[in-house]
Amino acid sequence: GIQVEQSPPDLILQEGANSTLRCNFSDSVNNLQWFHQNPWGQLINLFYIPSGTKQNGRLSATTVATERYSLLYISSSQTTDSGVYFCAVGNQGGKLIFGQGTELSVKP
Amino acid sequence: DTEVTQTPKHLVMGMTNKKSLKCEQHMGHRAMYWYKQKAKKPPELMFVYSYEKLSINESVPSRFSPECPNSSLLNLHLHALQPEDSALYLCASSQRQGRNYGYTFGSGTRLTVV
Repeated sequence: GIQVEQSPPDLILQEGANSTLRCNFSDSVNNLQWFHQNPWGQLINLFYIPSGTKQNGRLSATTVATERYSLLYISSSQTTDSGVYFCAVGNQGGKLIFGQGTELSVKP
Repeated sequence: DTEVTQTPKHLVMGMTNKKSLKCEQHMGHRAMYWYKQKAKKPPELMFVYSYEKLSINESVPSRFSPECPNSSLLNLHLHALQPEDSALYLCASSQRQGRNYGYTFGSGTRLTVV
């Protein structure tokens, strides 16, 4: 099955700093999503991005499907950005396969 | 309406209790999912419903019983659970089942079995 690997596993930032999170996947995909899980457990869909680049405010994402990786950029980080960021890839049956996540902590 | 609503948000139940988790969406999505998430781990798929029919059961123990009474509603009936079943239970939906559709997740039910 598809393998999804995320790096780094943990990240501590000072407020205002920029960061890049990486997701590698083992097979070609038509469905790649980035989620943010807040401290209360809610999984918030950040991007549906099987290929190309998208931007939403301070966040942007790029997927290079031919090279099997995706990047999530966070600029001017805020304490509310803290939480776990998951990359997930959909297989043929519609199952989302998640990476292990990157736990981000933004300090004031 | 672009949300998936889950109730209750928190549930504490004894090992002999019967309880149900509820999930609702009004986005016209025809695929609905139950995921289970343990602390510090990614979510894991339990069940998939497509057009109100069970499509995937990821070898989940029978003490978890899903039900999809209509296209907007998904239930998870719980009976004789074990303490190791304590977890965050997440419901999600997508337009259709398949690899080309984005998911929307609910805020989850945090279940504690005592």
